[in-house]
Amino acid sequence: SAVISQKPSRDICQRGTSLTIQCQVDSQVTMMFWYRQQPGQSLTLIATANQGSEATYESGFVIDKFPISRPNLTFSTLTVSNMSPEDSSIYLCSVETFPGDEQFFGPGTRLTVL
Amino acid sequence: TQLLEQSPQFLSIQEGENLTVYCNSSSVFSSLQWYRQEPGEGPVLLVTVVTGGEVKKLKRLTFQFGDARKDSSLHITAAQPGDTGLYLCAGASSNDYKLSFGAGTTVTVRA
Repeated sequence: SAVISQKPSRDICQRGTSLTIQCQVDSQVTMMFWYRQQPGQSLTLIATANQGSEATYESGFVIDKFPISRPNLTFSTLTVSNMSPEDSSIYLCSVETFPGDEQFFGPGTRLTVL
Repeated sequence: TQLLEQSPQFLSIQEGENLTVYCNSSSVFSSLQWYRQEPGEGPVLLVTVVTGGEVKKLKRLTFQFGDARKDSSLHITAAQPGDTGLYLCAGASSNDYKLSFGAGTTVTVRA
């Protein structure tokens, strides 16, 4: 398994601003993912964070809205840009040590946009 | 995206009772994972099943993977209040290893 931390754990932001969420893993991992979990709902994959190249986004998510960085094998950031109340969600990062391995999740970042 | 349907959506039972959560799909998965998520926390992996027909037991929890690798179930025996949480199944595709999550089952065990 892997130990994953996220910062911040929660935040309340104003409409139109941006927030960057950090995900740190205690060991090198191949795959890192970002998910969104809207209130009372399941997890939706936003993108796969690729080390050394652009992230791969799922349908309905774009780089301008959710820019992602992955400078090394233990760290990634997700930015939620130009926020609106509809972006209020829990944002989760997850990791796989190897492709096809089990996924482990961070504790999540609870975002509220006013 | 491969669709996973979980049932029931909500389950409220008395301590000591048994419960079963189902996860069904028309797609075949290379593996299926079960998670439990508590409020304010990320999902915690309970088990991964990879072989059709596989049965795994973790104390009072029993997990089954269907023979065709399209469905799974989670059975809890003698439920306790500590079993309360959101149970999520997630299937992995053999093509790209991405996880598709079910909608989740909220389980409440009353003392």
